[in-house]
Order: sequence, then structure tokens, then C-alpha cells
Amino acid sequence: DAGVIQSPRHEVTEMGQEVTLRCKPISGHDYLFWYRQTMMRGLELLIYFNNNVPIDDSGMPEDRFSAKMPNASFSTLKIQPSEPRDSAVYFCASRLLGEAGNTIYFGEGSWLTVV
Amino acid sequence: KQEVTQIPAALSVPEGENLVLNCSFTDSAIYNLQWFRQDPGKGLTSLLLIQSSQREQTSGRLNASLDKSSGRSTLYIAASQPGDSATYLCALRGGGSQGNLIFGKGTKLSVKP
Repeated sequence: DAGVIQSPRHEVTEMGQEVTLRCKPISGHDYLFWYRQTMMRGLELLIYFNNNVPIDDSGMPEDRFSAKMPNASFSTLKIQPSEPRDSAVYFCASRLLGEAGNTIYFGEGSWLTVV
Repeated sequence: KQEVTQIPAALSVPEGENLVLNCSFTDSAIYNLQWFRQDPGKGLTSLLLIQSSQREQTSGRLNASLDKSSGRSTLYIAASQPGDSATYLCALRGGGSQGNLIFGKGTKLSVKP
């Protein structure tokens, strides 16, 4: 399997623009997670899905952030409008409940810079 | 609220040295604990996972231990190599198998040739 695939790998955008990050989880996995990593706060869970249904979005910082999972092989994280403080690395991860002790697999991240 | 702390934030050692990375947590009611490695510009790679009923796990030169009563886990790296240079993060899962991972901020390891 190719692993968790994220795009774009790098994005530089101007404040106020809409940003869409994409994720393809590992085939067959039933959980999908979106994390954000910054120097100050480390890795934080934004939202996670189980079988395409959002389960916990309490980590989503504000209404400017939204996430969807229209099917088992695709998810998006959207920021509208973007702000400089949104600059971070956004990771998508997936896992299969019960597999390998519930090990989670991460993508290589989307590096977002908002100027 | 579960808090995960990793000290030190950075560590530099000469090649060949054995070393221990530390992870402490405040709530012993965990489902499992996982150690990850993160290389610059990359995602996280799972190294070892310890279930709450286990005391340790080993993979090659790596050994991870778990002591829930004291709220501590350690990652032991034997005979360190420059290729081990990376940031190491520990993460806890609480709330059963469907709980979320809570991460420490990591220890940045540099192994000098």
C-alpha cells in the first residue's frame, strides 16, 4: 500500500484566501484523523472520522475550519478565510480498529504558510 | 485532562552511546502508548506500541517500557547511530480502543559521528 497520501505537500497563500488540504487514507482503514503541528503547541488533534462520519471535532479551532469525508478514500480540510496564525503542518492519519494494536499511520503532512 | 511531557526537549550524544528518552503522563488510565519517530520535513513513523497490560516492547535496538503506576515510559536506544537522529514523540491513547492520541512535544535527538 502507498500509505496515507496528502496534497499539497507545501502551500503558500495570502491571508484571506481559501485553503483546501486533501488526504487519501490507507485502503480499508476505518478511522481518519486530522492533526496540526506547530512549534508552540506540538501535535493537536483537529477532528477524526469513523466510517466517514465525523466523531469528534472539538479540536477544530474555529468556524473558519471545516472537514469532510465524502467517501472512505478521501477527506478534505478547508480553511476559509486563512490567517497567518494558521501556518503549521497539517497531518492526516488513518488506522484500522484492531489492526496491529490500533497503530496509527501518518501521511507526510501539508506544510501551510499564510502570509 | 491527560498531559504528556517529554524531557529533555533536545539531546545530543556521540555515536555508539546507549541512551534513554523519557515520557511522563498525568493520568494512568491509558489504553496504550506509542513511540513515534519524525524526521525533518516528514510525517511520523510508528516505532513501538505498548498495550496498557504490557510492560515493554522491543524492536531491534529499541526497547520501550511502560510503568503506569508512576506515569512513565522510556525509550531505550542501544548503540546509537547518526541515522537515529530525529525527533521522538510519545503518544497516549486513553478512553479505550477508540480513544484519541495525545502527544508529547518530542525530544530532538542528535547522534554525532
